[in-house]
Amino acid sequence: RKEVEQDPGPFNVPEGATVAFNCTYSNSASQSFFWYRQDCRKEPKLLMSVYSSGNEDGRFTAQLNRASQYISLLIRDSKLSDSATYLCVVNDGDYKLSFGAGTTVTVRA
Amino acid sequence: DGGITQSPKYLFRKEGQNVTLSCEQNLNHDAMYWYRQDPGQGLRLIYYSQIVNDFQKGDIAEGYSVSREKKESFPLTVTSAQKNPTAFYLCASSGGTSGSTDTQYFGPGTRLTVL
Repeated sequence: RKEVEQDPGPFNVPEGATVAFNCTYSNSASQSFFWYRQDCRKEPKLLMSVYSSGNEDGRFTAQLNRASQYISLLIRDSKLSDSATYLCVVNDGDYKLSFGAGTTVTVRA
Repeated sequence: DGGITQSPKYLFRKEGQNVTLSCEQNLNHDAMYWYRQDPGQGLRLIYYSQIVNDFQKGDIAEGYSVSREKKESFPLTVTSAQKNPTAFYLCASSGGTSGSTDTQYFGPGTRLTVL
């Protein structure tokens, strides 16, 4: 079983729509959680950290459910520039991060 | 400008050759990491270093070697023992004055192709 699992998508949504997707993790002792955004053939860039039950940053909302061991990311009022792959990242402690394979989102005009 | 630089951006290697990928950071971060990314897979940890002159193997260290002689630099050598080296290699750093200790920031990556 993979440590971090994501629906690869793609999620194809029109501009202005809301899109949400989940990530599940296997280690119940995981310490902290992150969403990174990765554009095609580029490096991952930190989108947001999720340390407690959730976090909101503008149009982006992340929620953490420790009981069910999943993290979700919701994007409201999607923009064309939101098209990217979103990586779910889990910190198991001691500098070790586990990465999901990513969820691809495509926003169309 | 603070950041992480990697060079070269693209690298082509013949089978049997060793190559070294450069990673430099001026963020004053203590920890540095090397990952590889293959299509359809998550990033996998090759090596990491928490402090100068010390480093640990990650999940897929076989066929790779590193050094950490300076805080700013963490070069990765891909040896001829690495059976499938074609991949996108990403260097990251964390810790120090620029953020919380477990948030990692990535360099632009090196795309290695074995001919």
